[in-house]
Amino acid sequence: AIQMTQSPSSLSASVGDRVTITCRASQGIRNDLGWYQQKPGRAPRLLIYAASSLQSGVPSRFSGSASGTDFTLTISSLQPEDFATYYCLQDYDYPLTFGGGTRVDVK
Amino acid sequence: EVQLVESGGGLVQPGGSLRLSCAASGFTFSSYWMSWVRQVPGKVPEWVGDIKEDGSEKNYGDSVKGRFIISRDNAKNLLFLQMDSLTGEDTAVYYCVRDLGYCSGRICYSVYDSWGRGTLVTVSS
Repeated sequence: AIQMTQSPSSLSASVGDRVTITCRASQGIRNDLGWYQQKPGRAPRLLIYAASSLQSGVPSRFSGSASGTDFTLTISSLQPEDFATYYCLQDYDYPLTFGGGTRVDVK
Repeated sequence: EVQLVESGGGLVQPGGSLRLSCAASGFTFSSYWMSWVRQVPGKVPEWVGDIKEDGSEKNYGDSVKGRFIISRDNAKNLLFLQMDSLTGEDTAVYYCVRDLGYCSGRICYSVYDSWGRGTLVTVSS
């Protein structure tokens, strides 16, 4: 199975900060990657698909990029509602696999 | 509005079976791949498997292959997950997920745009 290594596992940030989260795939996955946000007690919410396409209704402060097997989720200016856990998910090959998650909390 | 409502979770003994259902509404169910994702609270989600629009293709995660079966009833807008030979490691919240899908040229991507609230399965004696 394709391994997705996500970093950092946690970070502390303030409102207005620029936040960057990375996932590295164990092999090439083209751009077959999505980013999800999850808050406690809730289901994951899709933010980005196909590495860089913004899901409808998601604020434009969220963006995704790719470089080889490295994928990045950027929050340009962190808002109070963005404190949550973020996961990447590769859909290049079965079984689909998630990254280990990044918890973003208040500094 | 897309709605996915899971049911059928509960307490089951090790070695037992359980069948989860997901009632879909607000969209043309028969036009979408559907998936199951599970998550131990506080842990990373785990992809369980998916099923093609017409049920002709199914894929499973390694940890459930041979024990779980995904099926669907397009006439009733229902998705199912039959779980057999359950162990404590199957304890989790199980989510029903719609794959909106997105294709660019010949490349198609999974787009898990709608999730149910989940149903808790606890495997314990």
